Amino acid sequence: NAGVTQTPKFHILKIGQSMTLQCTQDMNHNYMYWYRQDPGMGLKLIYYSVGAGITDKGEVPNGYNVSRSTTEDFPLRLELAAPSQTSVYFCASSYDGQGNYGYTFGSGTRLTVV
Amino acid sequence: AQTVTQSQPEMSVQEAETVTLSCTYDTSESDYYLFWYKQPPSRQMILVIRQEAYKQQNATENRFSVNFQKAAKSFSLKISDSQLGDAAMYFCAYIPSGTYKYIFGTGTRLKVLA
Repeated sequence: NAGVTQTPKFHILKIGQSMTLQCTQDMNHNYMYWYRQDPGMGLKLIYYSVGAGITDKGEVPNGYNVSRSTTEDFPLRLELAAPSQTSVYFCASSYDGQGNYGYTFGSGTRLTVV
Repeated sequence: AQTVTQSQPEMSVQEAETVTLSCTYDTSESDYYLFWYKQPPSRQMILVIRQEAYKQQNATENRFSVNFQKAAKSFSLKISDSQLGDAAMYFCAYIPSGTYKYIFGTGTRLKVLA
């Protein structure tokens, strides 16, 4: 049981480029989330999804887009990358939509925009 | 605004000793959940313990226990018989019942000294 898998683990992106961070889970969880973690800060919610075809904005959605065509996959798209998007990105999923039983997190993607 | 505060950026503990990590939160909600997550150097966030606000009994998971003081809005984590593998960043998190969005503290880095 792999849980939540994120790729890539590390990436360097040039300003203005675009890329997609991949996230897949094999637990049949309906609820999936993208967070970013900046140094010395807690995690902040970028986007979340309550099921295939349904997504919504979190706290810090600007500069990002998501899609959810299947239950398993929840990719995060960065358009026109900016240095402010340098961060560690975590994908997570949960059985319970309210996260009451905790999230299962991926191991993160460290993204540097130069 | 709902906030989670971890006032100790870094803590140290001798192996086999006990350490307590502090967390306070601010909310007007009466029904919510609290969590402690561990983030080792591998980066993957791991759920350590959860507490339901409507339960007065403090949660316990093996060497990990919490001191939940609802009126004081305090949720500290006690680690007994500390082990080298406990060294990590620890995040306190809060989620109001009926929502999808965690609110994370800024984390406490725990060092375990041999």
